[in-house]
Amino acid sequence: GQQLNQSPQSMFIQEGEDVSMNCTSSSIFNTWLWYKQDPGEGPVLLIALYKAGELTSNGRLTAQFGITRKDSFLNISASIPSDVGIYFCAGGQGGSEKLVFGKGTKLTVNP
Amino acid sequence: NAGVTQTPKFRILKIGQSMTLQCTQDMNHNYMYWYRQDPGMGLKLIYYSVGAGITDKGEVPNGYNVSRSTTEDFPLRLELAAPSQTSVYFCASSPPGLGPDTQYFGPGTRLTVL
Repeated sequence: GQQLNQSPQSMFIQEGEDVSMNCTSSSIFNTWLWYKQDPGEGPVLLIALYKAGELTSNGRLTAQFGITRKDSFLNISASIPSDVGIYFCAGGQGGSEKLVFGKGTKLTVNP
Repeated sequence: NAGVTQTPKFRILKIGQSMTLQCTQDMNHNYMYWYRQDPGMGLKLIYYSVGAGITDKGEVPNGYNVSRSTTEDFPLRLELAAPSQTSVYFCASSPPGLGPDTQYFGPGTRLTVL
């Protein structure tokens, strides 16, 4: 089946640092989504991207839909302790009702 | 709105037992989904529904059944529990208009089969 390669697998950073993570695929997607999951909770939608080349921000978070439609990245600026969690990318092909998820990037922020 | 709610939060089953995981959403979303999440892995789609009375298989449907008699409810049934079904189960829903890709998740049910 389709797979998304999400990297890095984990990150350990100091509070205040910027963070960048990405997701790549051999398949084209029409939608890219970024979710955050806290321990014991369900994933929460952070940013949804619907158009190739689109750059969208949500507070300190910025995500881009790659121009080839095969990749996306998420940046977090000036990290804070509550940014700790697992970040998942997901790709959708529009109308297929099925999302493909990456395996996640586990972020640890040291105060 | 409560959003997507799931019950129970935790459950331990013996091999061969059956149970139903409940999922309800109060946002009038057409699309609903069931995923399982294994440790260190992303989410895998079990079943989904595009509306009341319509369901379809996802990537890993074996050992599970679903029904969608109302817009709000989408229960997941395990008939003969097996250790391989130990996982965290998430229900999700999508609003009309934004498309099925934009999914909102419930808090999950952690299931252990011994």
